Amino acid sequence: DAGITQSPRHKVTETGTPVTLRCHQTENHRYMYWYRQDPGHGLRLIHYSYGVKDTDKGEVSDGYSVSRSKTEDFLLTLESATSSQTSVYFCAISDRTGSPLHFGNGTRLTVT
Amino acid sequence: DQQVKQNSPSLSVQEGRISILNCDYTNSMFDYFLWYKKYPAEGPTFLISISSIKDKNEDGRFTVFLNKSAKHLSLHIVPSQPGDSAVYFCAASSISSGSARQLTFGSGTQLTVLP
Repeated sequence: DAGITQSPRHKVTETGTPVTLRCHQTENHRYMYWYRQDPGHGLRLIHYSYGVKDTDKGEVSDGYSVSRSKTEDFLLTLESATSSQTSVYFCAISDRTGSPLHFGNGTRLTVT
Repeated sequence: DQQVKQNSPSLSVQEGRISILNCDYTNSMFDYFLWYKKYPAEGPTFLISISSIKDKNEDGRFTVFLNKSAKHLSLHIVPSQPGDSAVYFCAASSISSGSARQLTFGSGTQLTVLP
């Protein structure tokens, strides 16, 4: 298993509250990604990072922000959670261009 | 508009037989394709990949075939085992996406291997 830890594993929150999900890696990989998985959509990219303080938007970035102040940590923030953000969120890492992504075990987020 | 499509949400196969999972793509810039397997409550696990310069890649029981002209790839599992029961995702990336090489995923196919 690639050393990827996502926290929390489960979270229930109310609409309008801020939420931060954490991804921690022990592999010293350069690239980190946040995906969300929804029925019928597979996994869709939210944001990714190609180095400390270097991030960019993915396909479904609206309503999300990210930060990467250290190589090992990549944070995903929902500034004001909405019910449409109820999903399973996966963090992934890779060490170089062209190598497969390795995924964490996910965070199940429910926004009521 | 989904650039990577898996049109079969589910597939059931008898143990010992061949499982064939299919994937179609629309973006002609995709040059690297992967298959991931996912068990419930776990993250996707990398299974096998293929570059667009090849038309076949094999790893044990798993073989991926790429037909660039048809923009189609398939994953063959022979022989299928009950432990192969999982959701299989097809994914693709393009060098034009930059060094981060983000993946575009299909919606997945639930494979059930019956004992």
